[in-house]
Amino acid sequence: EIVLTQSPATLSLSPGERATLSCRASQSVSNFLAWYQHKPGQAPRLLFYDASNRATGIPARFSGSGSGTDFTLTISSLEPEDFAVYYCQHRGNWPPLTFGGGTKVEIK
Amino acid sequence: EVRLEESGGGLVQPGGSLRLSCATSGINFNNYWMGWVRQAPGKGLEWVANMHHDGSQRYYVDSVRGRFTISRDNAQNSLFLQMNSLRVEDTAIYYCTSFWSGYFDNWGQGTLVAVSS
Repeated sequence: EIVLTQSPATLSLSPGERATLSCRASQSVSNFLAWYQHKPGQAPRLLFYDASNRATGIPARFSGSGSGTDFTLTISSLEPEDFAVYYCQHRGNWPPLTFGGGTKVEIK
Repeated sequence: EVRLEESGGGLVQPGGSLRLSCATSGINFNNYWMGWVRQAPGKGLEWVANMHHDGSQRYYVDSVRGRFTISRDNAQNSLFLQMNSLRVEDTAIYYCTSFWSGYFDNWGQGTLVAVSS
């Protein structure tokens, strides 16, 4: 089973700052990785699939990159609505489908 | 507009059963894999089960296999999760999801399942 490790666990930033989130896979998942945003009390939302393909309606300040074992989600300039928990998920050789442990982006 | 709406959650004793339902609209349900993902209190997201659009394939996380059954009614655009022999560790918010190319592209708001004596 492929394990996804996200870092940092918590990122404390101010609006307007750049956020860089990491997801590392225990073995190569090629580019078969997604990112999700989850706010309390809301449905999670798909941000990126296949590492860098932006899902419908996702603002351009969000970008996804990486391949193999190392992936990055970048938010170029944080907006107030971006403070949330972010998860990565891989789709290679499922089942099982697994998520990373999440990174909480909180207001500093 | 895509809508996925879960129902059927609640409080149940260990060993009990619940059946979750998910009503969908705005997606081509008959051609979609569907699934369930859960989030235990204070924890991250955990995939629970997926089902092919024609019912020919069903997959489960190890911890629920043999206790949970995913099913669907394509005529009613609905997804179900029958949960038997519930355990305290099954306590979570359960999200209905559509599943496309290996990813969860649409999500419901979730329904809370609490297993406690």
